[in-house]
Amino acid sequence: KAGVTQTPRYLIKTRGQQVTLSCSPISGHRSVSWYQQTPGQGLQFLFEYFSETQRNKGNFPGRFSGRQFSNSRSEMNVSTLELGDSALYLCASSLERLAGADTQYFGPGTRLTVL
Amino acid sequence: KQEVTQIPAALSVPEGENLVLNCSFTDSAIYNLQWFRQDPGKGLTSLLLIQSSQREQTSGRLNASLDKSSGRSTLYIAASQPGDSATYLCAPGYNFNKFYFGSGTKLNVKP
Repeated sequence: KAGVTQTPRYLIKTRGQQVTLSCSPISGHRSVSWYQQTPGQGLQFLFEYFSETQRNKGNFPGRFSGRQFSNSRSEMNVSTLELGDSALYLCASSLERLAGADTQYFGPGTRLTVL
Repeated sequence: KQEVTQIPAALSVPEGENLVLNCSFTDSAIYNLQWFRQDPGKGLTSLLLIQSSQREQTSGRLNASLDKSSGRSTLYIAASQPGDSATYLCAPGYNFNKFYFGSGTKLNVKP
């Protein structure tokens, strides 16, 4: 069974630009979560999608947004990039569940560098 | 706000030693707790998941315990090997798959 895939693996952008990251979950998984990892703040929850609906959101500004498609693939978008957005962005998928928390399977991440 | 603390922040041991990694969390209304390892520059690999109703979970040389009421979990690694060198992260899980992560314990197992 293929794991969680994320594209692209590396991105370099300049301040003020916007970026879109993509995540394909494990086949059959309907929940997709996004995390930001930085040396200073560690891993922080961005948002979670289930059946195309955002169910949970972390404490990030509105510049960070996401969506999920009917095939469970997800994208996250960051607009008006700032230097502080440089980070490893990780996507995780899990089996469907109406509530609660399931085993999270993480992708390899997208390394975003903002210059 | 949930806070997750992992102690120690770093650990260096000779091969073959048994070791314990500690995790504490402030909000005990968890559904479960998951332990991960992360190798440099890589994503996270799930090691163990303990449901809130469980006290222990074992996988090979790894054993994780959970005391939900006191907000504590430990990860026990038996007979450590150089391949165990990585950063270990604990993450209590809440409703709708929201996990809070500790800052991790960086483990170095010397041959």
